[in-house]
Amino acid sequence: QVQLQESGPGLVKPSETLSLTCTVSGVSITTYYWSWIRQPPGKGLEWIGYIYYSGGTNYNPSLKSRVTISIDTSENQFSLKLSSVTAADMAVYYCARVSGSGNGFFDFWGQGTLVTVST
Amino acid sequence: DIVMTQSPDSLAVSLGERATISCKSSQSVLYSSNNKNYLAWYQQKPGQPPKVLIYWASTRESGVPDRFRGSGSGTDFTLTISSLQAEDVAVYYCQQYYNTPRTFGQGTKVEIK
Repeated sequence: QVQLQESGPGLVKPSETLSLTCTVSGVSITTYYWSWIRQPPGKGLEWIGYIYYSGGTNYNPSLKSRVTISIDTSENQFSLKLSSVTAADMAVYYCARVSGSGNGFFDFWGQGTLVTVST
Repeated sequence: DIVMTQSPDSLAVSLGERATISCKSSQSVLYSSNNKNYLAWYQQKPGQPPKVLIYWASTRESGVPDRFRGSGSGTDFTLTISSLQAEDVAVYYCQQYYNTPRTFGQGTKVEIK
């Protein structure tokens, strides 16, 4: 079955770069679009962006200047980098699969990883 | 951006009673070429990721109990839980995938009265 697992540092200092990886199992990463979504503690969901295996990306304009999503098909992983983080970037970060051919809903999610921004 | 607005923010319903959540989008999410509404509903329980319940506004995901029903078209949508069970206590989100950026409603917390 399809499984996604986020990994990366749980603590990032202000002004530094947040880096997370999502490892996908049960399906080839080349067959779908893949997304990052975040959720500040006690708040709602914010879409960060998505990537296709070809490397094509689409980012939320609200974060576009600071976000890079990349993909490693050999490892069946995709990654998120968010630069110049502040306390507002503290959230649970989820990776998710996009159903269909990119214009679908999020049908499989990782368990999420909490990233704290603090000195 | 398409703004998704849910109401109410929270509701308390007795076990076995009906729960109804509304979701309104700031522009239509109905794609005329295929007559599909690009609208999904998710359920999120504490400490868990969201789980898709409904997509295309009214198609139930495999394994989702039939007490969950999605309806609506264009800009107005509803999630109905016909007979609330204890395990349905959660926050529910609507989400549009009509265009980017993908956007979610603010969430509706469903509790037992």
